[in-house]
Amino acid sequence: DAGVTQSPTHLIKTRGQHVTLRCSPISGHKSVSWYQQVLGQGPQFIFQYYEKEERGRGNFPDRFSARQFPNYSSELNVNALLLGDSALYLCASSLEGTPVYNEQFFGPGTRLTVL
Amino acid sequence: AQKVTQAQTEISVVEKEDVTLDCVYETRDTTYYLFWYKQPPSGELVFLIRRNSFDEQNEISGRYSWNFQKSTSSFNFTITASQVVDSAVYFCALRGGGATNKLIFGTGTLLAVQP
Repeated sequence: DAGVTQSPTHLIKTRGQHVTLRCSPISGHKSVSWYQQVLGQGPQFIFQYYEKEERGRGNFPDRFSARQFPNYSSELNVNALLLGDSALYLCASSLEGTPVYNEQFFGPGTRLTVL
Repeated sequence: AQKVTQAQTEISVVEKEDVTLDCVYETRDTTYYLFWYKQPPSGELVFLIRRNSFDEQNEISGRYSWNFQKSTSSFNFTITASQVVDSAVYFCALRGGGATNKLIFGTGTLLAVQP
């Protein structure tokens, strides 16, 4: 079975640009979460989507937005990129957005570099 | 506030040694979930274990074992007879009892197993 997939693998942008990152969850998983991992730190929660609705949002500015599609795939959008947005962006999927099935399985990530 | 502390930044051991990775958490939730993830150099977070707050039973899986103690708010991870393939960054994470799947990660422990 395919795991969580993310695209692109690597991305280089300049300050002020916009970026869209994509994630496809494990088949049958309805919840997708996004995390930002700056070098040397643990991942930081950005968003969770479940059944196309936002279920949670971390402490990130409004430049960050996301959405989930009917097939449960998801996009993370970041506007007006700053140097500090350079990080590994991880997508995680889980079977349902409830505590009963809450193991999150992570994709390989998208490495974003902002110059 | 919820917090996860991994005081050990880096650990270096020689192959076949046992090693324990420490994790201390803070939460006011009565129901919560604790996780360990492994992050090899490839970057993908690999799920290792989930432990529910209402289940303090320790667990062993092959060379891996976990010691959950609510009295000290600790969830430590031991690798017995370490191998070079165990070299990675290990993250401890906490999820509260709310509706969101948000994980709070520690800063990680880099384990280097020397041959």
